[in-house]
Amino acid sequence: QQQVKQSPQSLIVQKGGISIINCAYENTAFDYFPWYQQFPGKGPALLIAIRPDVSEKKEGRFTISFNKSAKQFSLHIMDSQPGDSATYFCAASWSILTGGGNKLTFGTGTQLKVEL
Amino acid sequence: DVKVTQSSRYLVKRTGEKVFLECVQDMDHENMFWYRQDPGLGLRLIYFSYDVKMKEKGDIPEGYSVSREKKERFSLILESASTNQTSMYLCASSLSTSGNTIYFGEGSWLTVV
Repeated sequence: QQQVKQSPQSLIVQKGGISIINCAYENTAFDYFPWYQQFPGKGPALLIAIRPDVSEKKEGRFTISFNKSAKQFSLHIMDSQPGDSATYFCAASWSILTGGGNKLTFGTGTQLKVEL
Repeated sequence: DVKVTQSSRYLVKRTGEKVFLECVQDMDHENMFWYRQDPGLGLRLIYFSYDVKMKEKGDIPEGYSVSREKKERFSLILESASTNQTSMYLCASSLSTSGNTIYFGEGSWLTVV
């Protein structure tokens, strides 16, 4: 059972364009939604994260949009650069108080390529 | 800076061999994790440990076991390696509560022939 569904599987964007990656979740107990970025040969690293009490969070060129009623969240990369070419994973977890601890459930990943 | 170190980056093992993957973190984190990463499947949790000698099965524990004798060290054990365990294995650590950043190591590429 895949609890976090991510799309698209791959994405090609022109330099300066907007990259958009979408995720949908099923477990309404999830209360923390991070995005991880992974470069080839490296482990994933936290990029940006959001809690469901806000609908949007922005850090530089990266924005998470969150729709609690639709159980969806997305990553927007503005002014995409070749250096943004990487694999992006959405994830979700729930509070230790309801038994989730800090275990992340990951989406299947999106390979982003930003072309010149 | 948090550092999660996986001692073996690339391993080639034979079917049936016992395989140990070692992981050390230097930030006194309570939680440690082993994930497996496969193309098209994302990262899947194998085992999770929230304290020394404590462990909890993840989504795909079959064929794996773990050991956490010291807080900083978490080992993944393949009792009898099989070809379908060829994969990249990622160790990670974090503080205990939800919402704390999970820090990953650089991964161990295991090929079972």
